[in-house]
Amino acid sequence: AQTVTQSQPEMSVQEAETVTLSCTYDTSESDYYLFWYKQPPSRQMILVIRQEAYKQQNATENRFSVNFQKAAKSFSLKISDSQLGDAAMYFCAYRSAWSGGGADGLTFGKGTHLIIQP
Amino acid sequence: GAVVSQHPSWVICKSGTSVKIECRSLDFQATTMFWYRQFPKQSLMLMATSNEGSKATYEQGVEKDKFLINHASLTLSTLTVTSAHPEDSSFYICSAIFSNQPQHFGDGTRLSIL
Repeated sequence: AQTVTQSQPEMSVQEAETVTLSCTYDTSESDYYLFWYKQPPSRQMILVIRQEAYKQQNATENRFSVNFQKAAKSFSLKISDSQLGDAAMYFCAYRSAWSGGGADGLTFGKGTHLIIQP
Repeated sequence: GAVVSQHPSWVICKSGTSVKIECRSLDFQATTMFWYRQFPKQSLMLMATSNEGSKATYEQGVEKDKFLINHASLTLSTLTVTSAHPEDSSFYICSAIFSNQPQHFGDGTRLSIL
C-alpha cells in the first residue's frame, strides 16, 4: 500500500514571501501521479498542481511549482509571492497510474495548514 | 471546467435513520466515482470506488452494508448511510474521474447525526 507523509502540520509565511511545503511518499510502483490540493475553510477540494511520475520536468502553475525527486520519493510544493488567498489546508496526494482495469482513488497526506501573515 | 454536484450539502438527522447523498457529474460522463470521508481536522480517507453498472469496491475497514453505494449511470452515484449513528457524523465528499484526468470533487456533505 502507498503512504503519503506531510511532516509539517502548520506553516506560516509573510505575504509576498515564498514558502515550501514538504511531502514524501512510499510506493513500489514506477508509474503514478502526484497532486497538491488546497482545501480552504469552505472545504472545497481545489487542484493546485499535478505531476506525472514519468515526467522529469517539474510541473508549474503560475506561482505554484513542485520539486519532484523520484528517487528520493519527495514532492514538495513551492508557493511564490504568497497571497492572503493562499491560506488553507494543503494536501499532498498519490494515485496509481491508470491500469486499464479502472482508476484508483487518491491516498492523501495528513495536510499542512498554511497561514499567511499580512 | 468539469463540474461535480453533490447533494445535500448539509444534513442533520436522528440516530437510526438512513441518509442518501447524491453525486453527479454535470458536464462529463464519469468512468469512476469515489467516496471519501473526512473527520474534523483530519485528512480525506477513501471509502469506496464506484464504477457504473458494477459493485463498488470498498476500502479495508469500511462496512459495505453500512455504506451502500449505487452507481446507476455514468453521471450519478449515491451513498446511503444506513441506520446512521453519531459516530457516522463526518464530512463526506465524492469525486468523479474520466479516463486519466484528475479527479473532480463535489463540494461535500456535512452529516450530523443526533
